[in-house]
Amino acid sequence: NAGVTQTPKFQVLKTGQSMTLQCAQDMNHNSMYWYRQDPGMGLRLIYYSASEGTTDKGEVPNGYNVSRLNKREFSLRLESAAPSQTSVYFCASLVGTPVREQFFGPGTRLTVL
Amino acid sequence: GNSVTQMEGPVTLSEEAFLTINCTYTATGYPSLFWYVQYPGEGLQLLLKATKADDKGSNKGFEATYRKETTSFHLEKGSVQVSDSAVYFCALSERNNNAGNMLTFGGGTRLMVKP
Repeated sequence: NAGVTQTPKFQVLKTGQSMTLQCAQDMNHNSMYWYRQDPGMGLRLIYYSASEGTTDKGEVPNGYNVSRLNKREFSLRLESAAPSQTSVYFCASLVGTPVREQFFGPGTRLTVL
Repeated sequence: GNSVTQMEGPVTLSEEAFLTINCTYTATGYPSLFWYVQYPGEGLQLLLKATKADDKGSNKGFEATYRKETTSFHLEKGSVQVSDSAVYFCALSERNNNAGNMLTFGGGTRLMVKP
C-alpha cells in the first residue's frame, strides 16, 4: 500500500494563477480531508469529504474548491492564487474502526508570489 | 468550540534528557486525544492516542495519559534521542456525523535534541 499520496511536492505560482493539488489513497477509506499548515498555527481544515460524492467546508474554505472524483481521489483547486495561500497543504484519509485515525500524505509546499 | 493549547517551542534538550510537552484542551463532549509527530519534510504520523479518561497511550518510549479532571494530555519520554527531533502536535477529535472524527490541532511544538 502506498497510503496517501500527493502531487506535486512543490509548486510556485504567481498571483492570480490557478492550480489543482491531487490526493489519492489506496486504503479504501471513506473520509478524506484537506488541511493547510502555517507556522505556529497547527493544521487547519479547509474541506473534507465524508464519502464519494459529498464535500463540506472546514474552518478555512475561502479561495478553495474541492472535488471528490471517486473513493480514491480528492483534489483541491485554487482558482486564483493569492500570497495568503502560501502554505504547506496536507491531504488525509480516515480509517473507520476501532479508533478513527487519520493518515496523512507527505504534503505539497506551495508558494504564491 | 473545541481547542487545543500546546506549550510553545522550540524545546531544546540534550540526548537522554527527560521530555515533557504540555497539552491542554477544551471540548464540549468526550473527545479522543492524539499526539502526532512530523519529521522534517514529511507529513504527520500518529504517535499515540487515548480514547477515554485515564487511558494511557504509549509508543516508541513516549507516553501520554488522558486526564479529564485537568483536561490535559501531556507527552512524556524518559530519555530522548537525537532521532526524536521533530515537531509534535496534540490533537483532539469528536465524532462528527458527516465525517467521523474532525481533528482539532494545537499549534505544534518543535523539539530539538542535541548529542
